[in-house]
Amino acid sequence: AQRVTQPEKLLSVFKGAPVELKCNYSYSGSPELFWYVQYSRQRLQLLLRHISRESIKGFTADLNKGETSFHLKKPFAQEEDSAMYYCALHGSSNTGKLIFGQGTTLQVKP
Amino acid sequence: DSGVTQTPKHLITATGQRVTLRCSPRSGDLSVYWYQQSLDQGLQFLIQYYNGEERAKGNILERFSAQQFPDLHSELNLSSLELGDSALYFCASSAYSGRSDRGTDTQYFGPGTRLTVL
Repeated sequence: AQRVTQPEKLLSVFKGAPVELKCNYSYSGSPELFWYVQYSRQRLQLLLRHISRESIKGFTADLNKGETSFHLKKPFAQEEDSAMYYCALHGSSNTGKLIFGQGTTLQVKP
Repeated sequence: DSGVTQTPKHLITATGQRVTLRCSPRSGDLSVYWYQQSLDQGLQFLIQYYNGEERAKGNILERFSAQQFPDLHSELNLSSLELGDSALYFCASSAYSGRSDRGTDTQYFGPGTRLTVL
């Protein structure tokens, strides 16, 4: 079964501290992993995807197939990073269906 | 602005009623997806249409149905509403049907329709 697990509902850090949002997945094939972000009162938007290997807004994520993880990291958190973060998995080759984790709220305190 | 629009923004209705949620995809996008976001279930995939045809089905109840019209806008119909159907319903669109050699198309989300069933 395809599943995405984000173990933390809430992650609270101080500005300037490192951030790691955890994401583990379950999928037997070759998955594509994504991180979506939802800022307050805004729509869900793509933050990054593993195949592009980009760094967006200072965030990076590495796909670790051995540990089936795709953790999101940022070395120095900013207050504007406060938002809800969703990890998502695309497994099916014929559709665009995404499987989302439960989401983690990141709270960056001043 | 991603270009995906959804109407209405808010909908308040009673149990047993039927409602229709509307989604207009980004210009040129052929796929439309519907997701339900609730406190207990999180963000769940409901259904995908590609160029007018159903492409994938997720955890969509039999009381729910959707369609995509020739102009590519989509409607999600929810009937015999129950209290538990109260949620935020998102629509997303992408250029193609799914994965290709370029990887999976980015899905662009709309602002959502908040449904409250009383």
